[in-house]
This record gives sequence, C-alpha cells and structure tokens, in this order.
Amino acid sequence: QQPVQSPQAVILREGEDAVINCSSSKALYSVHWYRQKHGEAPVFLMILLKGGEQKGHDKISASFNEKKQQSSLYLTASQLSYSGTYFCGTEEEKLTSGSARQLTFGSGTQLTVLP
Amino acid sequence: KAGVTQTPRYLIKTRGQQVTLSCSPISGHRSVSWYQQTPGQGLQFLFEYFSETQRNKGNFPGRFSGRQFSNSRSEMNVSTLELGDSALYLCASSLKSGANVLTFGAGSRLTVL
Repeated sequence: QQPVQSPQAVILREGEDAVINCSSSKALYSVHWYRQKHGEAPVFLMILLKGGEQKGHDKISASFNEKKQQSSLYLTASQLSYSGTYFCGTEEEKLTSGSARQLTFGSGTQLTVLP
Repeated sequence: KAGVTQTPRYLIKTRGQQVTLSCSPISGHRSVSWYQQTPGQGLQFLFEYFSETQRNKGNFPGRFSGRQFSNSRSEMNVSTLELGDSALYLCASSLKSGANVLTFGAGSRLTVL
C-alpha cells in the first residue's frame, strides 16, 4: 500500500527550514528517503530502521515514529541544491504470503528553494 | 565505477506496438528492480529480479514482463502499448534482493501516440 506524503509541494527561500512527512497505514520495518532532481535519477538519502535512531546527513535529517508509522524528513537552512522531488519508500513489517520484501514509494513532495 | 545504464533514453511508439527496455546494473549488483514514474503517481513498482528469478511483482497487467540474464542485465517488455503506458521507466540495482539501497538509472522515457 502506497504511503502518503505531505505536503505535495513546498516553496521556500534559501535558509528556511522544511519538513516532509510520510505516513503509512501498515506497520513498517523501514523507511527510505530519496531525492530526484529535475531530469535526473532518484538518489538515495537515508534509511531509517524500526528501533533505530534518527539519521542525519549534513543539514538533512529524518525520524521514524514506529507507533504512528510515520517518518519525517527535516531540511534545515535550505540551500538551492535541495530543490527536487523527495520520495519516501516504505518496507512493511509483515509480508503477505508468497511475497518478498520490497519498497513502496509515495507520490513525492516537490521542494523548490528560491534565492 | 559505472552507474546503472538504461537504453534507450527516449522512444516514441504507437498504440498496439511493443517495446523492450534494457538495464545494465552496477557491476556486482545482482538485483534489478523496475519502476514506472508518472506525474502525480510517484514511483510504481513493476517487478524485481534477482539471480535471473523474478522475486516480486507489482500490480501491473500481464502486458508488462521482464527478465534477467546471467550477467544481471535486465530487460522489460511492454506489449500492446496503450496511451496510458507513456511514462518514465526507471531501473534500479542493488546488491541484495528486497528493500535495500537502490541505485537508479536515468530512465527510459516512453511516449505512446
């Protein structure tokens, strides 16, 4: 089942902060975050595992609330290079019979950072 | 090292035709996954291959098929193309099967007229 991302789009000025949320109705084992710049391939940012700690990468960090099956991506002091579409991918904790583990991606959040 | 290579990058087909897309994974990666990307729908999972075996399949009609060769290269085929098949098809490779870190290719943009 596809996770729900919010907001769908956000526009901010350089130096401002942003939060992107990813929610699932299923119990999750992990949440993955990717960023896709216009015309380019999605690029891996980070993985958050159930029971794991909040992750960080430069001024981009993320958390995973296991009780709410929700992850949030935090972009602090945004830079122009942060512009792109952010996707969360979720891995469900329980597998249906005969299936293998896979990532299910949300529809993405388009982030635009203006000078 | 070389990234994930997808060919062709762009192609135009007409309804009813079929198309084959190719994906060469990163050297040493044995898992190849395929995704369809359309505006507003995000990345829709098509299927995953690992060691020449299909490990998982998304909710797409049987017109969408794939295969993987012994060198881990993969192809996907779409038969009897429909207008709604117009999309960017992304291939991603990873070391292991399942929900692992994916390295995506630049994609093949298919336009069906």
